Amino acid sequence: AQTVTQSQPEMSVQEAETVTLSCTYDTSESDYYLFWYKQPPSRQMILVIRQEAYKQQNATENRFSVNFQKAAKSFSLKISDSQLGDAAMYFCAYIAEYGNKLVFGAGTILRVKS
Amino acid sequence: GAVVSQHPSWVICKSGTSVKIECRSLDFQATTMFWYRQFPKQSLMLMATSNEGSKATYEQGVEKDKFLINHASLTLSTLTVTSAHPEDSSFYICSARPWGLTSGGEVETQYFGPGTRLLVL
Repeated sequence: AQTVTQSQPEMSVQEAETVTLSCTYDTSESDYYLFWYKQPPSRQMILVIRQEAYKQQNATENRFSVNFQKAAKSFSLKISDSQLGDAAMYFCAYIAEYGNKLVFGAGTILRVKS
Repeated sequence: GAVVSQHPSWVICKSGTSVKIECRSLDFQATTMFWYRQFPKQSLMLMATSNEGSKATYEQGVEKDKFLINHASLTLSTLTVTSAHPEDSSFYICSARPWGLTSGGEVETQYFGPGTRLLVL
């Protein structure tokens, strides 16, 4: 069965600095998708970034980028120039190609200090 | 694009009553929608997968007679909590997966509604 592990229950970062959130996963599939979702205090789940496993190039979205290491089954999220609005719970998630179910990690609470 | 709405956002009801939560994909069609439950500071727990025109698939341990799901159209799924009790109080979130490819080719991506907070007294 596929599993997603986020080993950091909480992280803190100073405003304007960079923080990296860790995520590892376990799967026997070769084709799959990985996601980072953000859940702010409003509890609305927001898609931050998406990575297709067949793509070697790491996905980027403005200040958000990932370090995707397929062999190591690692998918970390880097947030550059952190802003107060980045404070949220971040979930790493996996889905197999043609799969139906998103598998979520336990989440990492990110606190941003001014 | 890819907006999902949920209604109501907040509901308080008496024990024993039924509550219906609607999930709508506003700007795309979704043959598959998903219902999750989330406790504070915890991850999302998948309750069931809702397929348009067919019966929902429930996860192990989820009572299908307690949580009735109907996916009547390509843009609407409903979750009815029947004979609600205080232990059903929770945050319920739906998500929808676009049918076919969106303009961005975002296959397999799920888009989430804003959630519904249910409090059963």
